[in-house]
Amino acid sequence: GIQVEQSPPDLILQEGANSTLRCNFSDSVNNLQWFHQNPWGQLINLFYIPSGTKQNGRLSATTVATERYSLLYISSSQTTDSGVYFCAVFATDKLIFGTGTRLQVFP
Amino acid sequence: DSGVTQTPKHLITATGQRVTLRCSPRSGDLSVYWYQQSLDQGLQFLIQYYNGEERAKGNILERFSAQQFPDLHSELNLSSLELGDSALYFCASSLGQAYNSPLHFGNGTRLTVT
Repeated sequence: GIQVEQSPPDLILQEGANSTLRCNFSDSVNNLQWFHQNPWGQLINLFYIPSGTKQNGRLSATTVATERYSLLYISSSQTTDSGVYFCAVFATDKLIFGTGTRLQVFP
Repeated sequence: DSGVTQTPKHLITATGQRVTLRCSPRSGDLSVYWYQQSLDQGLQFLIQYYNGEERAKGNILERFSAQQFPDLHSELNLSSLELGDSALYFCASSLGQAYNSPLHFGNGTRLTVT
């Protein structure tokens, strides 16, 4: 089956720093979504991004489907950005999640 | 608030018991998905329903079953519970299918089996 790898697995930042999270997938996919799981366990859909670039405030995402990767950019990070970021790809008949990047932002 | 409602929020039960988790999708969404999140397995897809019909199946155990009712709410039934079934169970919904629609998750049901 398709493999979804995220890097880095852990990231520690000071408030105000920028970061880039990467999602690599091993096969062609129909779409890709980014999610944020906050420290309370809630999963929030950040982007539905099968290809191209999207921006939402301090967050932006780029998917290059032909090269099988997606990037999530977080600018001017805040403590509320802490949590785990997952990418998920649709392959065959289901949405498969990566293992996540755990982000900690300190004041 | 995603608009997806899951009940109960927490459930504590004993091994061998049976529980039912309930999910109400966002208004207008036709697809419902169930995922299990445990510490060592990450987010695992269990099953998907679209407009009342099963559409995709993941690593769902035979002890688990689900259905989607005519009003589009869904229930996940877990029986003969084992300690290893302790996990966070998420329901998600989308307007269409997973390949062309963003998923929106409920807050989950935390199941503890003792």
